[in-house]
Amino acid sequence: DAGVTQSPTHLIKTRGQQVTLRCSPKSGHDTVSWYQQALGQGPQFIFQYYEEEERQRGNFPDRFSGHQFPNYSSELNVNALLLGDSALYLCASSPGATGRQETQYFGPGTRLLVL
Amino acid sequence: AQSVTQLGSHVSVSEGALVLLRCNYSSSVPPYLFWYVQYPNQGLQLLLKYTSAATLVKGINGFEAEFKKSETSFHLTKPSAHMSDAAEYFCASGGSDKLIFGTGTRLQVFP
Repeated sequence: DAGVTQSPTHLIKTRGQQVTLRCSPKSGHDTVSWYQQALGQGPQFIFQYYEEEERQRGNFPDRFSGHQFPNYSSELNVNALLLGDSALYLCASSPGATGRQETQYFGPGTRLLVL
Repeated sequence: AQSVTQLGSHVSVSEGALVLLRCNYSSSVPPYLFWYVQYPNQGLQLLLKYTSAATLVKGINGFEAEFKKSETSFHLTKPSAHMSDAAEYFCASGGSDKLIFGTGTRLQVFP
């Protein structure tokens, strides 16, 4: 059983560019959440997708957008990149319909460097 | 609003010594609490979780945590540290809707 997978593993972009990160959830999971982890910090919640809709959103600007596909995979898009967007981007999946106590399982992350 | 505070950004122990990583939570509703571990250049791995079934929670790799409502704490312990335990540890509150993470504690284990 494959766990949560993310691509690419590393990415280098320049300021002002746009980036798309991809995530495939764990088998049987229908909910995907995205987190940003800056160096030396804990992960910060960006948003969550369930049934192809954004269900919750953290305190991130509209430059951060996402999408969920019918197969439950998800994309995170960041427009107009800033130096401060450099971070590890983590995707997590969970069986969203069964209750808050369910565990989120994390992928290995995509490390984004903005120059 | 929920929040999580981890006391001590760095903890150093000798191999074989007790590991104690501290976490305090703030929540207006009964919390779901988690401990995750992050090894260098990797994602987060679940160590254990509290969902109100039992106050003492046993996790993987010999770790356990005790939920103390009176102290609003959920400290992580391991009786005997191993070199392979060196990593970053995160306490988190929430659930499948979203997780609120602490700032993390880096555990160093010396031989």
